[in-house]
Amino acid sequence: EVQLVESGGGLVQPGGSLRLSCEVSGFTFRNNWMSWVRQAPGKGLEWVACIKEDGSEKYYVDSVKGRFTISRDNAKYSLYLQMNSLRAEDTAVYYCVREGQWLDAFDIWGQGTMVTVSS
Amino acid sequence: DIQMTQSPSSLSASVGDRVTITCRASQNINRYLNWYQQKPGKAPKLLIYAASSLQSGVPSRFSGSGSGTDFTLTISSLQPEDFATYYCQQSSTTPRTFGQGTKVGIK
Repeated sequence: EVQLVESGGGLVQPGGSLRLSCEVSGFTFRNNWMSWVRQAPGKGLEWVACIKEDGSEKYYVDSVKGRFTISRDNAKYSLYLQMNSLRAEDTAVYYCVREGQWLDAFDIWGQGTMVTVSS
Repeated sequence: DIQMTQSPSSLSASVGDRVTITCRASQNINRYLNWYQQKPGKAPKLLIYAASSLQSGVPSRFSGSGSGTDFTLTISSLQPEDFATYYCQQSSTTPRTFGQGTKVGIK
């Protein structure tokens, strides 16, 4: 069974840092682009960042550039999101998402992990 | 960045109704358009990719059409389990962008 399991969310003060992890199973992780997508409470979906199969290319939404870093460890079947200088507007559920190899679409989603930025 | 605009933002329908949701891109995205369904408290689920291809396991009452800038998601006969929020998303360029969502409620 294909599974994406996020962890690392929680409550953090403005300006603080948090590292999200996503453990993957059930498919060959090194064959897929991966993304993080977030959803603020009661709001729509927002793509945050993506990373190429081998980690050689990374892209970010403008609002997180310079603050967030996406990375992966293909040997550990894991995806990460390092979040620094957190702001209240980063409060959201963060989903780990697989981009289908030939689909150009987000075909598998994790259950999400909640990040709350508040003093 | 490519802006995605869905309409309507919400609608009310009855079981058995035909439902149509539209999505417009701010520039040509060819057929790089996907549709997702999200139920409260759950992760989104891929329904349609490449504008009109049905994802494996998705009921055939869901269909997608369009190319360029204008796209449509149609539910041919609304079922109780279809009451949810639907999002379009373009995969033509980064940043990947989503529409604001269309909530399908019970009339």
